[in-house]
Amino acid sequence: GAVVSQHPSRVICKSGTSVKIECRSLDFQATTMFWYRQFPKQSLMLMATSNEGSKATYEQGVEKDKFLINHASLTLSTLTVTSAHPEDSSFYICSRTLGTEAFFGQGTRLTVV
Amino acid sequence: GENVEQHPSTLSVQEGDSAVIKCTYSDSASNYFPWYKQELGKGPQLIIDIRSNVGEKKDQRIAVTLNKTAKHFSLHITETQPEDSAVYFCAAKVWTGGFKTIFGAGTRLFVKA
Repeated sequence: GAVVSQHPSRVICKSGTSVKIECRSLDFQATTMFWYRQFPKQSLMLMATSNEGSKATYEQGVEKDKFLINHASLTLSTLTVTSAHPEDSSFYICSRTLGTEAFFGQGTRLTVV
Repeated sequence: GENVEQHPSTLSVQEGDSAVIKCTYSDSASNYFPWYKQELGKGPQLIIDIRSNVGEKKDQRIAVTLNKTAKHFSLHITETQPEDSAVYFCAAKVWTGGFKTIFGAGTRLFVKA
């Protein structure tokens, strides 16, 4: 069964509003989780590494004030897309690792209208 | 930085035929190479992986080969079935102050019945 649960699977929001996406590790505690963004027919691009109890590490070019990450517990990381715009519409995926193996959530399709 | 190139971008085969997807990586320190299958609207799922101390690994109809000298690794699917149709991503695990997974661009596989 799934070891990473992501919610919601789909969300439509109005331009200018904020959206929160949750990622839960169901079987193991995860001090580190990863957030990816995927545009249609493209690969997964790492946005940031979420660290429990400390600040997230963002990849170059990713606005940390735009994509707020909170990892307040060992089983939950959240990504909040603030003041969303149509260009933020994308597929967002979280993952956590166990050893070298990565487990992915089912993804969240965000549509900003 | 680490780069993973994947070919072809699209592959169409007849049911029962074999499919081969090839990847190259740039960082010789990479030591773990997973392959993921992503179905429409879902997160990636690990289908097979190989570590740098092994040249080949097989799991039923799926096999992966690794040539460390050439920095190539390939996915082989035999006796393809329509349900194999999906997007396949190769990846390489690298250490950049923390372990990260770098993905190839993906291959869209179509298996025609």
